[in-house]
Amino acid sequence: GAVVSQHPSRVICKSGTSVKIECRSLDFQATTMFWYRQFPKQSLMLMATSNEGSKATYEQGVEKDKFLINHASLTLSTLTVTSAHPEDSSFYICSAPGLAADTQYFGPGTRLTVL
Amino acid sequence: QKEVEQDPGPLSVPEGAIVSLNCTYSNSAFQYFMWYRQYSRKGPELLMYTYSSGNKEDGRFTAQVDKSSKYISLFIRDSQPSDSATYLCAMSLFKAAGNKLTFGGGTRVLVKP
Repeated sequence: GAVVSQHPSRVICKSGTSVKIECRSLDFQATTMFWYRQFPKQSLMLMATSNEGSKATYEQGVEKDKFLINHASLTLSTLTVTSAHPEDSSFYICSAPGLAADTQYFGPGTRLTVL
Repeated sequence: QKEVEQDPGPLSVPEGAIVSLNCTYSNSAFQYFMWYRQYSRKGPELLMYTYSSGNKEDGRFTAQVDKSSKYISLFIRDSQPSDSATYLCAMSLFKAAGNKLTFGGGTRVLVKP
């Protein structure tokens, strides 16, 4: 299956700082990537769809000015959590469409803790 | 009401037993159905992918979709302790690759040696 990586795997930051999370497709190109958020013992909630070369599409209720998404190349999408607060602490997971199957492959996730 | 409902568990079974998981959904327009396995603090791993109604088998895993009842199932035969994880169902309106996935809440499974 396709491989998607994320960096960093976990990050701890102070309230008010910004954090950047990278999502890479390692062995294939992805014009679209998806960003999900998962709170403890809850399911994945789609935050936004990242589109290479154009603006991201955000789900209802997700602040686009707070969660900045940049899809600068066919293998890299970044999510920047700006002015992070403790309530932003969560597990952030990206996904990208696979090559052989009509589905999405997920990265290993990034655990963000805001103090 | 959530679009996709899934019993959170935990579901505890002895090693070798059959694990039975299911999801119900409300949107009859869903056409593509998936099951993912997620270990603690890891990203989801695709197990099964099916289109429309019917059965699909892959090794110890069998996925069933009944669109008339808006009900999908995953069966794991000869369960192993390594199958202990959270299992998430997901579905989409169109081909899943480039489209939004709607997830169930996940069922935590514990296979006891």
